[in-house]
Amino acid sequence: SQTIHQWPATLVQPVGSPLSLECTVEGTSNPNLYWYRQAAGRGLQLLFYSVGIGQISSEVPQNLSASRPQDRQFILSSKKLLLSDSGFYLCAWSVLSGLSNQPQHFGDGTRLSIL
Amino acid sequence: DAKTTQPTSMDCAEGRAANLPCNHSTISGNEYVYWYRQIHSQGPQYIIHGLKNNETNEMASLIITEDRKSSTLILPHATLRDTAVYYCIVRVAGTASKLTFGTGTRLQVTL
Repeated sequence: SQTIHQWPATLVQPVGSPLSLECTVEGTSNPNLYWYRQAAGRGLQLLFYSVGIGQISSEVPQNLSASRPQDRQFILSSKKLLLSDSGFYLCAWSVLSGLSNQPQHFGDGTRLSIL
Repeated sequence: DAKTTQPTSMDCAEGRAANLPCNHSTISGNEYVYWYRQIHSQGPQYIIHGLKNNETNEMASLIITEDRKSSTLILPHATLRDTAVYYCIVRVAGTASKLTFGTGTRLQVTL
């Protein structure tokens, strides 16, 4: 069966510091990968998605970047964190297939607090 | 993607069926209905999805009206662990398309 791992579960960082969040998927090949952010009391906002190694699409221009160095690894980064980067960061995957109605499956998230 | 409307909150007694409605009156012919839930401090959990036929899996049933303008998620025997925010999402079938989560329905299952 497929599993998705995100770490760390919680993170407290000072303003201006760098960030690296990692997500890995097991049990599937060539998945679509996604990074979402959920601000407190609000819905999920898609940040980035990837359909293959090195292929990144950005939904919202911002202080963050994403990379996919391996088929099942997705990394969210920032060079300098802002207070507004606080939130709950979620990684998700879906099957890459002609059946594009396949659901997305989420990890347990990283709760990021910026001080 | 079409917008959805859900009640803000609902209560359900443990052991009873929980019926969560969703209105999506502007849904297009190629848009699917997805249901997710989010338990506090966890990532969203996929429940079920459908296009126009009713669907059932080990977690729930999805009933879609014939005109597809509304749907109902049914949890047949709710337990305390089903307490969560439930999201109804309508999405165009497309490669790597995003899920747009609204505010959902907060379901409280009580003893």
